[in-house]
Amino acid sequence: DAKTTQPPSMDCAEGRAANLPCNHSTISGNEYVYWYRQIHSQGPQYIIHGLKNNETNEMASLIITEDRKSSTLILPHATLRDTAVYYCIVRVVDQAGTALIFGKGTTLSVSS
Amino acid sequence: SAVISQKPSRDICQRGTSLTIQCQVDSQVTMMFWYRQQPGQSLTLIATANQGSEATYESGFVIDKFPISRPNLTFSTLTVSNMSPEDSSIYLCSVIAPRNEQYFGPGTRLTVT
Repeated sequence: DAKTTQPPSMDCAEGRAANLPCNHSTISGNEYVYWYRQIHSQGPQYIIHGLKNNETNEMASLIITEDRKSSTLILPHATLRDTAVYYCIVRVVDQAGTALIFGKGTTLSVSS
Repeated sequence: SAVISQKPSRDICQRGTSLTIQCQVDSQVTMMFWYRQQPGQSLTLIATANQGSEATYESGFVIDKFPISRPNLTFSTLTVSNMSPEDSSIYLCSVIAPRNEQYFGPGTRLTVT
């Protein structure tokens, strides 16, 4: 069973911030929150990950609540090219290298 | 990061035949994985390809149907055997890079007629 819950779809206007929520209420202390996206017909692309602190990179920001039961991926200025399926995944980071297990994700549609 | 290439990028095959998909990585990696993405669905993990040992298969996937080879730390193959139309999917190779980020190849789009 998926460990995360995401809305099936969201819309966003071009140039506005896209805020994608994710619930992971059963997350364990050693599990990280990862975000990936998949643009149509391409392999999934890594966006960002975090444990408990908020993270920011050139693509997005990740806000994790203090109790770690939910998080939000923020695309600060969405463009048409950000239209994709976004996956929120919790994963143990260990020496063995655990594979990502994908849920259904959120389909983000950015329109002009 | 890791750059992954897959061959072929797409193929159309007859039922009952087999297809071998190749995955090449530009750096040595310990962990390689194979996923399947059926039309309109999310990704499903098929197996973990371990160098020097048998692949580890997820529930619902068996070695006779999806034999995997991992001859070295940069290469792996997945064979889809005795294909049926239900095997029509995108097959993706994936690796874990040193910073524990997981990277994906572009996928192989398989259509079985």
